[in-house]
Amino acid sequence: AQSVTQPDIHITVSEGASLELRCNYSYGATPYLFWYVQSPGQGLQLLLKYFSGDTLVQGIKGFEAEFKRSQSSFNLRKPSVHWSDAAEYFCAVTFTSGTYKYIFGTGTRLKVLA
Amino acid sequence: DTGVSQDPRHKITKRGQNVTFRCDPISEHNRLYWYRQTLGQGPEFLTYFQNEAQLEKSRLLSDRFSAERPKGSFSTLEIQRTEQGDSAMYLCASSLGLGNEQFFGPGTRLTVL
Repeated sequence: AQSVTQPDIHITVSEGASLELRCNYSYGATPYLFWYVQSPGQGLQLLLKYFSGDTLVQGIKGFEAEFKRSQSSFNLRKPSVHWSDAAEYFCAVTFTSGTYKYIFGTGTRLKVLA
Repeated sequence: DTGVSQDPRHKITKRGQNVTFRCDPISEHNRLYWYRQTLGQGPEFLTYFQNEAQLEKSRLLSDRFSAERPKGSFSTLEIQRTEQGDSAMYLCASSLGLGNEQFFGPGTRLTVL
């Protein structure tokens, strides 16, 4: 069955430090890949997406992600974290045909130390 | 703002009562999704509409749950005879299809006492 794994439930980084959030998927073909952020009381906001082409994807708020087919991974990175980045981050995949429903990972909660 | 809206934002109900949630998608979006998110988990797919047709339902959607999208515009999700296990955030999303990204509403948080 298709699945998404985010191995880190919680991550704490200092403000200004670099960040990498991991995401691995299990799917028979290359899916469409997404990273969303959810702040308390807020809906899910899209950070970036990968459909095809260049495997390094730039998103909003200074985030980027790299698709590695050989590792079935789509890790999210940011070179310098800001206190406002504290939130929960979800990786999601969808099939390349059909209903395009999302399968989400369990999320990674990011804490930023001042 | 022409994003996805959901109403109510919060609902507290007693076990056994019926509740109904509404979702208004982005106006030109033909695809509409409902997800459920419990504490500490990612959202889980419940059901999907393309225009007014409900084309897929998750096995998470028991017989107590029903969803409609009359005329392919807004959608409602009804839960009958609520149980404490129904307590969750119910998220609605819409998209244009063809793999396009889904835009999420703020969600309706349901608490069943």
